[in-house]
Order: sequence, then C-alpha cells, then structure tokens
Amino acid sequence: SQKIEQNSEALNIQEGKTATLTCNYTNYSPAYLQWYRQDPGRGPVFLLLIRENEKEKRKERLKVTFDTTLKQSLFHITASQPADSATYLCALDIRGATNKLIFGTGTLLAVQP
Amino acid sequence: KAGVTQTPRYLIKTRGQQVTLSCSPISGHRSVSWYQQTPGQGLQFLFEYFSETQRNKGNFPGRFSGRQFSNSRSEMNVSTLELGDSALYLCASSLKGQGTDTQYFGPGTRLTVL
Repeated sequence: SQKIEQNSEALNIQEGKTATLTCNYTNYSPAYLQWYRQDPGRGPVFLLLIRENEKEKRKERLKVTFDTTLKQSLFHITASQPADSATYLCALDIRGATNKLIFGTGTLLAVQP
Repeated sequence: KAGVTQTPRYLIKTRGQQVTLSCSPISGHRSVSWYQQTPGQGLQFLFEYFSETQRNKGNFPGRFSGRQFSNSRSEMNVSTLELGDSALYLCASSLKGQGTDTQYFGPGTRLTVL
C-alpha cells in the first residue's frame, strides 16, 4: 500500500541546534516533494519544493534533500528558534494527476529556549 | 492581496444533516483544492477544481461533492453527515493549477457533527 511516514513522535530540540525531520514514502514515484509548516488553528504554509532531479534545496535557514533511491526527504532547520515550533508536513505529487498532493501525517517540532 | 478565505470558520451540525462550505481563492488563482484534516488521518485530499471542472478526486464517498464557479470561488457539500465527518476542512488555491505551483491554504472550517 502507499504510505508517507514522518517522525511519529514530537521532536524536541534546544534553541540554536539543527532540527532534522524525515519523510519516507513507499509505493510512490513523485516528481516533486513539498514541505509545509502548520501552526495550531491555521492552514499549512508552503516552505519549499524540491524536484526529483534535485538533490538539495536551500532557503535561508531551511534545507531540504530528496533521495529518490532511498525514497526519503530530509528537512533541516539550522540555528533553530522557539518561533520555529510548529507541525511540519511533507507532501508528494501523484504522477498523472496534475495538482494532486498527498500529505504525510506531520512532525511536531518543539524548540526549547 | 487578500489570502484564501473560508466561511464559515466554525460549524456545528447533527448527524443526517447536510452542510455547504465556501472557499474564496486568492484573486487570479484558477485552481482550488479541498482537504479534510483529522487527528487520526492527517490531511487528506478530497478534490481539486480547475476552471470549473473537477480534475482530481480523493478516496471519499459520494456524500462529499463540490463545485467551482466562474469566478473561481468554490463550495463543497457534505450530505447525510456522520460523526466521523467532524474535521477541519481546508481549501487551497494555486495560480495555474500546475503541480509545482505554491498552494495557498485558507484558515479552514472546523466542522463538528453531533
């Protein structure tokens, strides 16, 4: 069956450290993968998109890697801050279905001051 | 530019009733997608509309339907509500409806079915 798995447990880290979140998928062959941030009571906010032919993408303190052989994406937040505390979701496209995204269950990140 | 708006923000219904939720996309955006979010299942794709046509559909029963108007505003309808339909319903709009477009989400409608 098709699955997208993210760290099921909440991730607690100290301010200033690097947070690393994982997104593993099975039985999908995405052309691209997206990461979103969701705060309580709000809709998700787009952060980064990485294509299948890209190994790494960066945006300010954020870095995403995409390994289609391992079927895994890693999402890094460097120099983390308490304001980075939120749920982070990865999402894959479905080949052949334009603009259809399948989301992972999300990882709750808590950055302690 | 105004963001994606959804109305109402909160709704309480009883089993068996039907409900209509509304989504106004960002001006100029042609694609609207709907998602259901629950603690157990996460964010699940319901359907996507582009230029008034349903292009994609998720694995939900026929009680869930939607439509898009010529101004790109969209509505979704759930008939014969069940307790399990209690969820946060989110819509997202994108400019050209291409998969690599940025999806802009609204704040959601919190539906409670009693």
